[in-house]
Amino acid sequence: AQTVTQSQPEMSVQEAETVTLSCTYDTSESDYYLFWYKQPPSRQMILVIRQEAYKQQNATENRFSVNFQKAAKSFSLKISDSQLGDAAMYFCAYRSAETSGSRLTFGEGTQLTVNP
Amino acid sequence: DSGVTQTPKHLITATGQRVTLRCSPRSGDLSVYWYQQSLDQGLQFLIQYYNGEERAKGNILERFSAQQFPDLHSELNLSSLELGDSALYFCASSSGQGKEGSPLHFGNGTRLTVT
Repeated sequence: AQTVTQSQPEMSVQEAETVTLSCTYDTSESDYYLFWYKQPPSRQMILVIRQEAYKQQNATENRFSVNFQKAAKSFSLKISDSQLGDAAMYFCAYRSAETSGSRLTFGEGTQLTVNP
Repeated sequence: DSGVTQTPKHLITATGQRVTLRCSPRSGDLSVYWYQQSLDQGLQFLIQYYNGEERAKGNILERFSAQQFPDLHSELNLSSLELGDSALYFCASSSGQGKEGSPLHFGNGTRLTVT
């Protein structure tokens, strides 16, 4: 079974600065997808970014980018020019591309605080 | 707005009771997923349906059951409720079964409190 680990329960960043959230995963599969979701205090789950494992190019969405290291099974999220609205719990997630009916497996989450 | 609708938003009930949580997926999505988020356990996958058929099962208790109807809405039934069942229950939907990597779009959740 696949597992996702987020080793930083909490992180903080100053407004306008850059922060990187870590995520590692364990899998024996070669084809899969990785995601970052954001959960603000409203508790809504919001998709931040998606990465396809067979693509070497790192995904980018505006101020959000990832550093995908397939061999190291690492998938970190970089938030540039942090804003107060970025404060949330961030979840890393894995989804198999080799199994039909594949679930999204989540890490434990990293609580990000943005200081003004 | 994700397009996924969950009702009710909040539910307060007593131990031993039974409740039903309802979910309407985004228009065009055939897969529905149920997740449980407790304070100390993160997001736990319960079950997935695709076009009316069960596709994957996670850590779903025998007291819990779910189904997806022909109109693609889904219901999660929780019975013989215990205090430990108090949690936020999310429904999510996606267009495919999973191998294509389509992201899950989440509803706003149902907050269940068992007293």
